[in-house]
Amino acid sequence: DVKVTQSSRYLVKRTGEKVFLECVQDMDHENMFWYRQDPGLGLRLIYFSYDVKMKEKGDIPEGYSVSREKKERFSLILESASTNQTSMYLCASRTRVEDTQYFGPGTRLTVL
Amino acid sequence: SQQGEEDPQALSIQEGENATMNCSYKTSINNLQWYRQNSGRGLVHLILIRSNEREKHSGRLRVTLDTSKKSSSLLITASRAADTASYFCATPFSGNTPLVFGKGTRLSVIA
Repeated sequence: DVKVTQSSRYLVKRTGEKVFLECVQDMDHENMFWYRQDPGLGLRLIYFSYDVKMKEKGDIPEGYSVSREKKERFSLILESASTNQTSMYLCASRTRVEDTQYFGPGTRLTVL
Repeated sequence: SQQGEEDPQALSIQEGENATMNCSYKTSINNLQWYRQNSGRGLVHLILIRSNEREKHSGRLRVTLDTSKKSSSLLITASRAADTASYFCATPFSGNTPLVFGKGTRLSVIA
């Protein structure tokens, strides 16, 4: 079974802090994704990566950056957290040739 | 950038009844997928239907795809309380691009 894990289920941070959200997958998937999910807005793509050291902007990259130094790990970084980044963050992965995306359990981030 | 749109936004049914959710999309697709999300959790893949398929079954799930109408439906037969969740359709915009999700249908199955 594919396993995608995220470093925290719940996280509380203060405005201005630098926040790291970690995602690890154990199936040697090339592609990895970060989405945020907000009520009434559905899932929105923040950043994605087709392979190690590669990154592409999604629909809402402002205020975020990412790092993919190893194939299994894709990190989302909030350089200076703001209250409007309070959200559920979902990581996903898939192989290069498969269409199905596999999701982690999500991190609910609250920025005070 | 919204590709899929689910309808209805919310659905409440009794246990044992069938639940039907619909998805409309805008551009040509090579596949359409349905996912389930239990409250506060990640999404779980349910079923994928390719553009050359019209219908697909998986257990109590039946998915149809009408590419001429750019629409799909998900039918859950003999629903159970455990089916209570949000259901999303998702498509890639093109080729190997990331999936774009609709806003989902919230299904409540009352025991």
